Amino acid sequence: DIVMTQSPDSLAVSLGERATINCKSSQSVLYSSDNKNYLAWYQQKPGQPPKLLIYWASTRESGVPDRISGSGSGTDFTLTISSLQAEDVAVYYCQQYYNTPLTFGGGTKVEIK
Amino acid sequence: QLQLQESGPGLVKASETLSLTCIVSGDSISSSNYHWGWIRQPPGKGLEWIGSIYYSGSTYYNPSLKSRVTISVDTSRTQFFLKLSSVTATDTAVYYCARHGNLYSPTDYWGQGTLVTVSS
Repeated sequence: DIVMTQSPDSLAVSLGERATINCKSSQSVLYSSDNKNYLAWYQQKPGQPPKLLIYWASTRESGVPDRISGSGSGTDFTLTISSLQAEDVAVYYCQQYYNTPLTFGGGTKVEIK
Repeated sequence: QLQLQESGPGLVKASETLSLTCIVSGDSISSSNYHWGWIRQPPGKGLEWIGSIYYSGSTYYNPSLKSRVTISVDTSRTQFFLKLSSVTATDTAVYYCARHGNLYSPTDYWGQGTLVTVSS
């Protein structure tokens, strides 16, 4: 299984400041034949299902604000919220879909400082 | 607009079989573009992929659960199903049904989830 490790477990950021979440996979999720990273990011608010934010490591899902971005390749990835808003308070998960079993990181809780 | 809705008992006795249904509306479950899956989340914990099914019936399971899981599909009724046998307290979780593209695609639609509690 590919193990996904997120850091930190939680972070508190002031409104308008940058939030950065890291995700590391135990093996590369970059598929050489199409040069795509099989890595997604999800946002989950209390009592709601996860919502897809980013796929292919850096492609924003339709409707996701451009203050949220993804980067990285191979085994190291980052989700950045450039200017934290109140509605960004949530738990964020990375997921690899490079192979089965599909696996998720443990989550990072983002709060307002 | 695609919608997925889980249904089933909220309480299951230990050692019995958990059975859930996902009703799909707004899209054809027979679309060759998608797989349909189940993901669970124990209270206060992270997400675990249980398995997925293609409309043809091809299934893909998490090896950690494979011996106890059956996922099936009824394309005529636009539903798919989860059965998890011999449940224990560790199977207590919110169970989500979801859609993803080919098997190696992100999950773009999720149901609201249903809490299943395993009682002793």
